[in-house]
Amino acid sequence: AQTVTQSQPEMSVQEAETVTLSCTYDTSESDYYLFWYKQPPSRQMILVIRQEAYKQQNATENRFSVNFQKAAKSFSLKISDSQLGDAAMYFCAYRSAKGQGAQKLVFGQGTRLTINP
Amino acid sequence: DAGVTQSPTHLIKTRGQQVTLRCSPISGHKSVSWYQQVLGQGPQFIFQYYEKEERGRGNFPDRFSARQFPNYSSELNVNALLLGDSALYLCASSLGGDIFRGVGYEQYFGPGTRLTVT
Repeated sequence: AQTVTQSQPEMSVQEAETVTLSCTYDTSESDYYLFWYKQPPSRQMILVIRQEAYKQQNATENRFSVNFQKAAKSFSLKISDSQLGDAAMYFCAYRSAKGQGAQKLVFGQGTRLTINP
Repeated sequence: DAGVTQSPTHLIKTRGQQVTLRCSPISGHKSVSWYQQVLGQGPQFIFQYYEKEERGRGNFPDRFSARQFPNYSSELNVNALLLGDSALYLCASSLGGDIFRGVGYEQYFGPGTRLTVT
């Protein structure tokens, strides 16, 4: 079974600075997808960014980018120019590309990000 | 277009009771998944339905059941409630299909239903 680990329960950063959230995962599969979701106090889980394992190029979405290290099974999220609206719980998630595992997302425990003005 | 909607927003039940949670997917989405999120933890997969058929089930007891209707909306039922069932229940919709590559695999979440069991 696949597992996702987020080793940072809490992180804080000054507004306008850069912060990196860590995520590692364990799998024997070669084809899969990785995601970062944001969950603000409103509880709505919002997709921030996704990465296909077969792509070597790291995904970017505006101020959000990832560092995908497939061999190390590491998938970190970098937030540049942090804004107050970035404050939320961030979850790293894994999904298999095919088979039974393709039916579900496997989430890490989450990292609570605080933005200091 | 409206996003994923869930009802009710929150509810309080007593141990031993039964509860039904409802979810309406994004228009055009045919797959619905249910997740349980206990306070302070990441969501845990409960079920996935596609075209009214169960396509996946997580490690949850038989007290948990679900179904999907012809309009692709879904209900999650939990019988004989326990204190440990207190959680945020999230519904997610996706285009779904046998091939989950391309644009079909993103799951879009609703705001959740907060269930408190006393």
